[in-house]
Amino acid sequence: SQTIHQWPATLVQPVGSPLSLECTVEGTSNPNLYWYRQAAGRGLQLLFYSVGIGQISSEVPQNLSASRPQDRQFILSSKKLLLSDSGFYLCAWRGLAGGLTGELFFGEGSRLTVL
Amino acid sequence: GNSVTQMEGPVTLSEEAFLTINCTYTATGYPSLFWYVQYPGEGLQLLLKATKADDKGSNKGFEATYRKETTSFHLEKGSVQVSDSAVYFCALLKGGKLIFGQGTELSVKP
Repeated sequence: SQTIHQWPATLVQPVGSPLSLECTVEGTSNPNLYWYRQAAGRGLQLLFYSVGIGQISSEVPQNLSASRPQDRQFILSSKKLLLSDSGFYLCAWRGLAGGLTGELFFGEGSRLTVL
Repeated sequence: GNSVTQMEGPVTLSEEAFLTINCTYTATGYPSLFWYVQYPGEGLQLLLKATKADDKGSNKGFEATYRKETTSFHLEKGSVQVSDSAVYFCALLKGGKLIFGQGTELSVKP
């Protein structure tokens, strides 16, 4: 069966420090991968998605970047965090077996607090 | 563009009450529609889905019908439980991207 792992689960970082959140998927090949952010009291905003190694699409201009160095690994990064980067970050995957109607499966999330 | 609009919360109900959470969407063509649920401190879990007009998704007593004519996908449950307390998200899938509504917080009191 497929599983998705995200870490760290909780992170407290000072303004201006770097960030790296990691997500890995097991049990599937060539998944579509996604990073979403959920700010406090708000819905989910798609940040990045990837259809393959090295292929990243950014949905909104921001202080963050994403990379996909391996088929089942998706990394969210920042060189210098801002207060507004605080939020709950969710990684998700979607398998090709689901076709055009396949749902996304989410990780447990990483809660980032920037102080 | 593609978008999803949900009724605002929080919604507070007594146990065994009837639940409706409204969801409407804007999209070209026929997107797939989903309801996800987020329990406190956790990620999102798929609750149910519908992939074409008039499809009814159902799971754990929840139901939603894909209504193309009204571009709606309202979530219903006949008798809620305290354990249903969570945030519910309506979403559409188009072009490989899942677009969410703002979420509706449900609180069920015993």
